[in-house]
Amino acid sequence: EVVLTQSPGTLSLSPGEGATLSCRASQSVTSNFLAWYQQKPGQAPRLLIHGASRRATGIPDRFSGSGSETDFTLTISRLEPEDFAVYYCQQYGSSLWTFGQGTKVDIK
Amino acid sequence: QLQLQQSGPGLVKPWETLPLTCTVSGGSVTNANYYWGWVRQPPGKGLEWIGSLYYSASTYYNPSLKSRVTMSIDTSKNQFSLKLSSVTAADTAVYYCARHGSGWLHYFDSWGQGILVTVSS
Repeated sequence: EVVLTQSPGTLSLSPGEGATLSCRASQSVTSNFLAWYQQKPGQAPRLLIHGASRRATGIPDRFSGSGSETDFTLTISRLEPEDFAVYYCQQYGSSLWTFGQGTKVDIK
Repeated sequence: QLQLQQSGPGLVKPWETLPLTCTVSGGSVTNANYYWGWVRQPPGKGLEWIGSLYYSASTYYNPSLKSRVTMSIDTSKNQFSLKLSSVTAADTAVYYCARHGSGWLHYFDSWGQGILVTVSS
């Protein structure tokens, strides 16, 4: 099983600031098959990024993904009020698809 | 626009079977480009993939739950279902149905609204 460890657990920032979220895999993720999701309270997750760096349809370009093998990053260039949420990474390169435990981005 | 509408009980007794259904609108469960899956989230915790199935009825389950999970698809009703047997309090969670791509595209691009299922007597 590929274990994904996200850091930090919580990121306290102000609107307009940039955010950098990390997702580290216990083993190399095949072909960078890694996705990022945003989840707000009481809502289902929303796909942001797939293939480590490809934005999903309709996702603003302030969201970007990067990384390879075991180290991946989600960057939010300038936080908008609606970006304060929990973010999860997911790998789908193995036969057992796993999620990280999440990073909460809250308002400072 | 694709919509996934979930239905099922909010309360299940211990050791009974949890049944959930996801009805798809704005798309077809027989679309060969997609799989249909279930993901759960215990209160205040992270996400866990339960399993997925294809319109041909091929299924893929999380090994940790495989012995208790049954998934099926009803193409005539454009819906798919999950049954989780012998539930305990550890199965209390919000259950989501979701769509993901076929081939290697196993990221979830469309989700149901989620149903909180509580296991309690």
